[in-house]
Amino acid sequence: EPEVTQTPSHQVTQMGQEVILRCVPISNHLYFYWYRQILGQKVEFLVSFYNNEISEKSEIFDDQFSVERPDGSNFTLKIRSTKLEDSAMYFCASSSGRVGYGYTFGSGTRLTVV
Amino acid sequence: KNEVEQSPQNLTAQEGEFITINCSYSVGISALHWLQQHPGGGIVSLFMLSSGKKKHGRLIATINIQEKHSSLHITASHPRDSAVYICAVRAYSGGGADGLTFGKGTHLIIQP
Repeated sequence: EPEVTQTPSHQVTQMGQEVILRCVPISNHLYFYWYRQILGQKVEFLVSFYNNEISEKSEIFDDQFSVERPDGSNFTLKIRSTKLEDSAMYFCASSSGRVGYGYTFGSGTRLTVV
Repeated sequence: KNEVEQSPQNLTAQEGEFITINCSYSVGISALHWLQQHPGGGIVSLFMLSSGKKKHGRLIATINIQEKHSSLHITASHPRDSAVYICAVRAYSGGGADGLTFGKGTHLIIQP
């Protein structure tokens, strides 16, 4: 069964450093998403991406975050200057349609900011 | 603001029992998802519903759009069903909202 692949599975970074989280969505999917889950809390929506642009973003997705689909297969989330509160599990997901279509989630990247 | 409430928060049951997890939400939706999260953290999609009922193996999901309520049932529960079960909804808006709003999850433990 097709999978969404996320790398790395775990990343430790120092506060203030830039990190890039990578995702390879399912090849024929058109809609891409990033979610995060702070330890012990519920999953929160960050951003959705379609046709090479952001289609929706949450209040969490401020100027320190950016997304890119640089080469038609990878989908990346960049955090410019990490803060301690950015420590979380970050999930990438993809979908073949916008409404009425299921999601496939990646296994997540656990980001630890020290 | 869209709220998604799940009950119970924690559920411990014996192997073989029939399990019901409930989800209620506060706004009109275009779809509701039931997801499973194992201790390692990965999320697996179980169902996507916009009306009626779906069944996959021992799992059954139902939704009542008028009452803004959905249930996930597990028949003949097994220890391998132990996981966190999460309800998530996609709100309906004129422009189309993309992001899912998640519940806090129900932590299910099935004891042998």
